[in-house]
Amino acid sequence: GAVVSQHPSWVICKSGTSVKIECRSLDFQATTMFWYRQFPKQSLMLMATSNEGSKATYEQGVEKDKFLINHASLTLSTLTVTSAHPEDSSFYICSANHLGQLNQPQHFGDGTRLSIL
Amino acid sequence: GESVGLHLPTLSVQEGDNSIINCAYSNSASDYFIWYKQESGKGPQFIIDIRSNMDKRQGQRVTVLLNKTVKHLSLQIAATQPGDSAVYFCADRPGASYDKVIFGPGTSLSVIP
Repeated sequence: GAVVSQHPSWVICKSGTSVKIECRSLDFQATTMFWYRQFPKQSLMLMATSNEGSKATYEQGVEKDKFLINHASLTLSTLTVTSAHPEDSSFYICSANHLGQLNQPQHFGDGTRLSIL
Repeated sequence: GESVGLHLPTLSVQEGDNSIINCAYSNSASDYFIWYKQESGKGPQFIIDIRSNMDKRQGQRVTVLLNKTVKHLSLQIAATQPGDSAVYFCADRPGASYDKVIFGPGTSLSVIP
């Protein structure tokens, strides 16, 4: 079945560091990927839609200069949390739609737990 | 529906009983609904979906019911097992955006052996 992989699965870093998270579709191509953030005991909040070959579309209230998204190929999207601070600590999850199957459910990665000290 | 930062409601069910998890959505233009299961430390796992032109769909041990009149969605799990313990989210796709889905607040299901 379709598999989405995230790397790293866990990262701990100091305040002020920039952190890059990768989201890969392993056995399918995806023109569109999605980035979510999830705080403990809460639901997934959509942050942005990552579009292959063009700019990402950010949800209201999400700072595009804070959360940089790059979708350079049909199998890879990256999210960079710039100058991370403790309030950015969260569980970041990506998902992808199979190219040509937009009317199907998204496939999710297993998330990246980001802890900022 | 729109996701909000609320404390997760909890449902406790005896092993072998049926579980019913409910969800309300707000966007009448939503045309596609999905139920996801999320285990601790993992990403959401697809369970079942339903389109707005249907009111019921069955899978293996699961049934989704859609009531568009009152914008309500439910997930029924038959013969609940300990492995069903997880957080369950409904998600809907706003009609204006073809592929974006928005998650509901979620329900934590706890199965008592």
